[in-house]
Amino acid sequence: DAGITQSPRHKVTETGTPVTLRCHQTENHRYMYWYRQDPGHGLRLIHYSYGVKDTDKGEVSDGYSVSRSKTEDFLLTLESATSSQTSVYFCAISVSGVTYEQYFGPGTRLTVT
Amino acid sequence: DAKTTQPPSMDCAEGRAANLPCNHSTISGNEYVYWYRQIHSQGPQYIIHGLKNNETNEMASLIITEDRKSSTLILPHATLRDTAVYYCIVRVGQGGSEKLVFGKGTKLTVNP
Repeated sequence: DAGITQSPRHKVTETGTPVTLRCHQTENHRYMYWYRQDPGHGLRLIHYSYGVKDTDKGEVSDGYSVSRSKTEDFLLTLESATSSQTSVYFCAISVSGVTYEQYFGPGTRLTVT
Repeated sequence: DAKTTQPPSMDCAEGRAANLPCNHSTISGNEYVYWYRQIHSQGPQYIIHGLKNNETNEMASLIITEDRKSSTLILPHATLRDTAVYYCIVRVGQGGSEKLVFGKGTKLTVNP
């Protein structure tokens, strides 16, 4: 357990509404990640952060933005949610060092109707 | 695209060793092999990683061939709680900015 929490754990929202998911860690790890998981696609990286205010895009970043104003929090925002963004979202942190193994949070199940 | 190939599913009897193969024939000399697993609806769980030597921890053993083109994850005494999807991943990139590219993994079912 790397002290990672995600909120909310479940959310149902309507198309076109903004949604923000929060990832919180308690151990001051530098690297944080947002993934989404869909049937048939496995996990895909959305955005990641390598420090406060330092973020970069992953492979499926369109329609998402992120912010990291504090080491412990990494926020994922869907500016205008679409049904294609219905998914399970996982946050992860990377233990800095030689190999950077990642540890994942419990996930947020988002449904966009 | 994932740089690894795994069988889609495997079965194992409880108490027996589970040997999960992975092919990574295009791996580069400085790329690590990681194994993760995902138990139904939970977040993926880190298991083990290696570069070229065999590795063992409290969860599993990792055997990497001398040419590094393939590896095997060994769960020495599988239990029902080891039923999960197991992902073999080659790290792409360096220094924390790497991307873990998850393929479809192997669904391991441990039977009583």
